[in-house]
Amino acid sequence: EAQLVESGGGLMHPGGSLRLSCAASGFTFSSYDMHWVRQATGKGLEWVSAIRTAGDTYYSGSVKGRFTISRENNKNLLVLQLNGLRVGDTAVYYCARESQGDAFDIWGQGTVVTVSS
Amino acid sequence: DIQMAQSPSSLSASVGDRVTITCRASQSIITYLSWYQQKPGKVPKLLIYAASSLVSGVPSRFSGSGSGTYFTLTISSLQPEDFASYYCLQTYSRPPYTFGQGTKLE
Repeated sequence: EAQLVESGGGLMHPGGSLRLSCAASGFTFSSYDMHWVRQATGKGLEWVSAIRTAGDTYYSGSVKGRFTISRENNKNLLVLQLNGLRVGDTAVYYCARESQGDAFDIWGQGTVVTVSS
Repeated sequence: DIQMAQSPSSLSASVGDRVTITCRASQSIITYLSWYQQKPGKVPKLLIYAASSLVSGVPSRFSGSGSGTYFTLTISSLQPEDFASYYCLQTYSRPPYTFGQGTKLE
C-alpha cells in the first residue's frame, strides 16, 4: 500500500529554520512528482512546492527564496527545508504524490509547524 | 499565476439534497482539475481527477464536469458522511498550482 509519512515539525521562533521529511513506501518513489501543501488552522489548502522526477523545483510566491524542496530517491525521501520562518508559515504541512492523472492521490498525515515569538 | 475562484464558500444543505460546487479558473486549464474532500482533522481525499474521472471506490453520487475555465462538483443525493469541506485544485502546465478557497458543506 502506498504511504507517505511526514516528520520534523515543531515550534520555532520567527527567523528560525526547520527541516521537514516525508518518507515514502509502497510505490516507486522516483517515478512520481511530489508536492508539499500546507493548511493553517481553520483555513484552506495552500500549494507550497513541487519537485519533478527530473529534479525541477517549483515554489509558491509566499515561500520562494526561503524554502527549498529536495528528494533523495535512494532513500525514498522528500525534504522541505524551511528557512527564515514567519508567523504566517504556521500550518500543518502535508506531502502529496501527484498521480498519473495530474492529481494528488496519496497524502501524508501531516506535520505541524508553529512559528511564534 | 492561475487563480481559482470557488463558490460558494459555505453551503447549508440537508440529507438527500442535490448540491453543486463551482470552480472558475482565471485562464483555460483544459481539464487539469481535481476535487478533494476533507473532513475535520483528517487528510484531504481525492474524489475526482481530470475534471470528470471518478476515483475508484468513491460513491457514484459524486460527479465532476467542465473544461476550460468552468468546473462543477455535484453530489446527487447528499448523505450524512458527505458533510465536509471540498476543494478544487488546478494542475495545468507547470506549477505554481492553485487550490480553490474551499466550500464547507454544513
